[in-house]
Amino acid sequence: QLVQSGAEVKKPGASVKVACKASGYSFRTFGISWVRQAPGQGLEWMGWISIYNGNTNYAQNFQGRVTMTTDTSTSTAYMEVRSLRSDDTAVYYCARDRPTTSYKNGMDVWGQGTTVTVSS
Amino acid sequence: EIVLTQSPGTLSLSPGERATLSCRASQSISSSYLAWYQHKPGQSPRLLIYGASSRATGVPDRFSGSGSGTDFTLTISRLEPEDFAVYYCQQYGSSPWTFGQGTKVEVK
Repeated sequence: QLVQSGAEVKKPGASVKVACKASGYSFRTFGISWVRQAPGQGLEWMGWISIYNGNTNYAQNFQGRVTMTTDTSTSTAYMEVRSLRSDDTAVYYCARDRPTTSYKNGMDVWGQGTTVTVSS
Repeated sequence: EIVLTQSPGTLSLSPGERATLSCRASQSISSSYLAWYQHKPGQSPRLLIYGASSRATGVPDRFSGSGSGTDFTLTISRLEPEDFAVYYCQQYGSSPWTFGQGTKVEVK
């Protein structure tokens, strides 16, 4: 399973770092994707990191503002978003994903979601 | 960027009826890297179908996926009460990986 860190309230311009702790499977043999859902909106893919080989792939909307990292010693993935704006208010999900882009398996295990509220 | 357009936006059906959801891509999706997810309010999304037609572990066989190239379909053969939700298609063959805007399946 994937267990995410708790809700956050941040001011515009601040940064937030969301944690996603994995258990019950071999963390190193998969990847992690991050997906968010703003209030009343659909799902938005933010990016992917392969714990298998360290590769990353970020959506262009987030390049330069989002960093995805992992700590294999604690089986935890992190996503940091900088320069937060009010439209970053959303529920952020981590999801277990394929280890490389040659695999076809989708995002089959999801965290419970972390609500990030950006407000002055 | 590949844009996915789902139709209809909302599908109003009764339990026991058949649901057919469409996902059309703005360009061909390589090697059928297309997935379907179910999302209920207050819950995390759930993977239903990957590789366009492979059911994920534990997904009932009333859910089926088909299609290739630019046109894909999710079919729910007989709607159960727990199937009323929003469904998203997602392509992961070309970066950036993108979701469709969703189809809401609601009780008629």
